[in-house]
Amino acid sequence: NAGVTQTPKFRVLKTGQSMTLLCAQDMNHEYMYWYRQDPGMGLRLIHYSVGEGTTAKGEVPDGYNVSRLKKQNFLLGLESAAPSQTSVYFCASRKRTGNTIYFGEGSWLTVV
Amino acid sequence: DAKTTQPPSMDCAEGRAANLPCNHSTISGNEYVYWYRQIHSQGPQYIIHGLKNNETNEMASLIITEDRKSSTLILPHATLRDTAVYYCIVRESNFGNEKLTFGTGTRLTIIP
Repeated sequence: NAGVTQTPKFRVLKTGQSMTLLCAQDMNHEYMYWYRQDPGMGLRLIHYSVGEGTTAKGEVPDGYNVSRLKKQNFLLGLESAAPSQTSVYFCASRKRTGNTIYFGEGSWLTVV
Repeated sequence: DAKTTQPPSMDCAEGRAANLPCNHSTISGNEYVYWYRQIHSQGPQYIIHGLKNNETNEMASLIITEDRKSSTLILPHATLRDTAVYYCIVRESNFGNEKLTFGTGTRLTIIP
């Protein structure tokens, strides 16, 4: 049971490049989330999904897009990366009827 | 949106009980209080949660005041491995609107 797995774990992008972060969970959870964490700050919600085929904006959605085509996967896309998007990105998931949220180990993204 | 307020840092002697306070004065009746911790830059780890009753598990105890405006996380016998940033979170849920509001947390340092 791998839990929540994020790929890649580290990536360096040039300004204007695009990339996709993949989050996969094997716990059959309905809810999935993408957060970002900047140095010395708490986690801020980017987007979330309450089920396959549905997504919603969180606190800081600008510059990101997401897709939830399969229940187990939640993709976070950066169409045109900016230095302000340098951050650590965390994916999380939980069961609709559960209270415990499980986090991945993080993806370190640097935009130069 | 319900917000939380925590002291930015605390120290605790190894072997003693660590008591971490959290203020959530705008919490509404159906909102849960969660506690997570983040060691170094790993993904946040679930500790405990509660609605209005005090809760205890193998990791910690959660004491919620009767008016629910504040709570305290208690680590009964702190060890060096408990050094981490501790987040007090209020979960909001409103018919599919699912957001987790993270504060800046308390950096707990366990002193040998």
